[in-house]
Amino acid sequence: DIQMTQSPSSLSASVGDRVTITCRASQGIRNDLGWYQQKPGKAPKRLIYVASSLQPGVPSRFSGSGSGTEFTLTISSLRPEDFATYYCLQHNDYPWTFGQGTKVEIK
Amino acid sequence: QLQLQESGSGLVQPSQTLSLICGVSGGSVSSGGYSWSWIRQPPGKGLEWIGYIYHSGSTHYNPSLKSRVTISLDRSKNQFSLKLNSVTAADTAVYFCARVDYYYYGLDVWGQGTTVAVSS
Repeated sequence: DIQMTQSPSSLSASVGDRVTITCRASQGIRNDLGWYQQKPGKAPKRLIYVASSLQPGVPSRFSGSGSGTEFTLTISSLRPEDFATYYCLQHNDYPWTFGQGTKVEIK
Repeated sequence: QLQLQESGSGLVQPSQTLSLICGVSGGSVSSGGYSWSWIRQPPGKGLEWIGYIYHSGSTHYNPSLKSRVTISLDRSKNQFSLKLNSVTAADTAVYFCARVDYYYYGLDVWGQGTTVAVSS
């Protein structure tokens, strides 16, 4: 299985901060990766697909980059509604695997 | 607009079979070449991909569950289902259904999730 390692596992940030979350794959996955946001008690919501494409309807403060084994999700200016847990998902090989999640909390 | 809704038993006894249905509205499980997936999330933990079924009926399963899991399509009812047999407490989780993005893969539309507890 391809292991997806997210860092950090949690972070505290303030409204307006720039936040970066990293996902590293145990082997190359091209750009076969998406980023998801999950709020408590809710289903995940896709923010980014194929590593850097913004899902329609998602604010432009979210961006993704990377290819191969290292990927980043950046929130350019954190808003109150962005406090949530973020997951990466690789779909390059079976089984599809998620990162362990990054919880973004209010400082 | 496509919507997915999970339903099924919220409580399953150990060693029995967990059965869930994902109803699809605003679209068809048979059209567009889409595939349909199940994912689960144990309490307080991360997400685990269970598997998916192509519109053709062929499947891909997570090897960690493959011996116990079946995903099937019911075109007449516009729904797909999950069966997981020989359950234990470790199968207690929120179960989500989702659509697989036809063009870019990944999971682009999700149901709200349903909680299943395994307990006697």
